Amino acid sequence: GQNIDQPTEMTATEGAIVQINCTYQTSGFNGLFWYQQHAGEAPTFLSYNVLDGLEEKGRFSSFLSRSKGYSYLLLKELQMKDSASYLCAGSSGGYQKVTFGTGTKLQVIP
Amino acid sequence: ETGVTQTPRHLVMGMTNKKSLKCEQHLGHNAMYWYKQSAKKPLELMFVYNFKEQTENNSVPSRFSPECPNSSHLFLHLHTLQPEDSALYLCASSQASYPTGELFFGEGSRLTVL
Repeated sequence: GQNIDQPTEMTATEGAIVQINCTYQTSGFNGLFWYQQHAGEAPTFLSYNVLDGLEEKGRFSSFLSRSKGYSYLLLKELQMKDSASYLCAGSSGGYQKVTFGTGTKLQVIP
Repeated sequence: ETGVTQTPRHLVMGMTNKKSLKCEQHLGHNAMYWYKQSAKKPLELMFVYNFKEQTENNSVPSRFSPECPNSSHLFLHLHTLQPEDSALYLCASSQASYPTGELFFGEGSRLTVL
């Protein structure tokens, strides 16, 4: 099985940088997803890490350490529209068995 | 129509009713999923279908019955539900052979069981 932990809520200031951490314990781990979900909307894909290291995609970056069972999502130059829940999810036993964490609700304030 | 479409968006039903949720994907994917999202709980995988065949049933109670007539359509038949089944039910699709296995979600069906 899988166990994924991430903080429940975070608050950050517009224009700042925020890091959302995720730890996982899983057997047969393949890779780590990050999804964004605005209130009342469907989750949308942000990133997928298989190898250790940092992957940058515009204002968003995602990091993975397989040996530590740890990942983070880094959001730079925060904008008000970044207020959303960020879901950490691990895939195991085949790409289609994806287990989600409870999500981190990020509030960006002026 | 693009993406993943779910109907109805909202559903209220009694515990003795029978209803169905429908999902349709226009992405040419060959895998489809049902997830349950409850307040303050992680997204829970319910069922996975690959090329119309069920490949995952995550210990879901039999009052939830999935049906996948083809790779583009997925149904979730509901009967004799309990109030604790009230949740957002999300359908998703993916290209099974694609390495990242990125999930494309529908907007969800908000279910309330009275």
